[in-house]
Amino acid sequence: GAGVSQSPSNKVTEKGKDVELRCDPISGHTALYWYRQSLGQGLEFLIYFQGNSAPDKSGLPSDRFSAERTGGSVSTLTIQRTQQEDSAVYLCASSLGHPGYTFGSGTRLTVV
Amino acid sequence: AQSVTQPDIHITVSEGASLELRCNYSYGATPYLFWYVQSPGQGLQLLLKYFSGDTLVQGIKGFEAEFKRSQSSFNLRKPSVHWSDAAEYFCAVGGERDDKIIFGKGTRLHILP
Repeated sequence: GAGVSQSPSNKVTEKGKDVELRCDPISGHTALYWYRQSLGQGLEFLIYFQGNSAPDKSGLPSDRFSAERTGGSVSTLTIQRTQQEDSAVYLCASSLGHPGYTFGSGTRLTVV
Repeated sequence: AQSVTQPDIHITVSEGASLELRCNYSYGATPYLFWYVQSPGQGLQLLLKYFSGDTLVQGIKGFEAEFKRSQSSFNLRKPSVHWSDAAEYFCAVGGERDDKIIFGKGTRLHILP
């Protein structure tokens, strides 16, 4: 596609439920990244996929967070047993390779 | 480990005045440096980037940034701000050995009419 597409744009969920956030990168981009943006905290790196290499999961805050990328394209970020502190904007970005990304508009997650 | 510090959480300038947003980085090798802007309710847009060569980098919307290795800085400047520049600005660092980019916490720019 023309840009990085994320869905849903907004998600409200109850504490303890699982959520899935989707990212559709720019066609042909080999690298895909997930970040979390909390109020006043800037962007926190979560996970990075590059081609067929093992993902860099060093930023995932707990084992409740996981992500996969199918067919080298679409990625899903899953948060299990959501907590209120998971409320944030989750941003996806893609690139052809370093340096410089194109970001999606994000998914605003609210845990109530 | 790589890190980025943006010392100013908020900055307020008058429309038409000059602007400088500060950014200091820590990186163990040659850095790649970036400035992104995020307008309210919008995604992040790349303003400019530095990889190598000329240390003064020109970006979109009339912004420029200067890489100073001796000071580990990459400050963003604009000679005359417009009301539409009100936004949050993020400095970021990456490099050849690190495919992920690490962001600062951002500086929110307010413009006085």
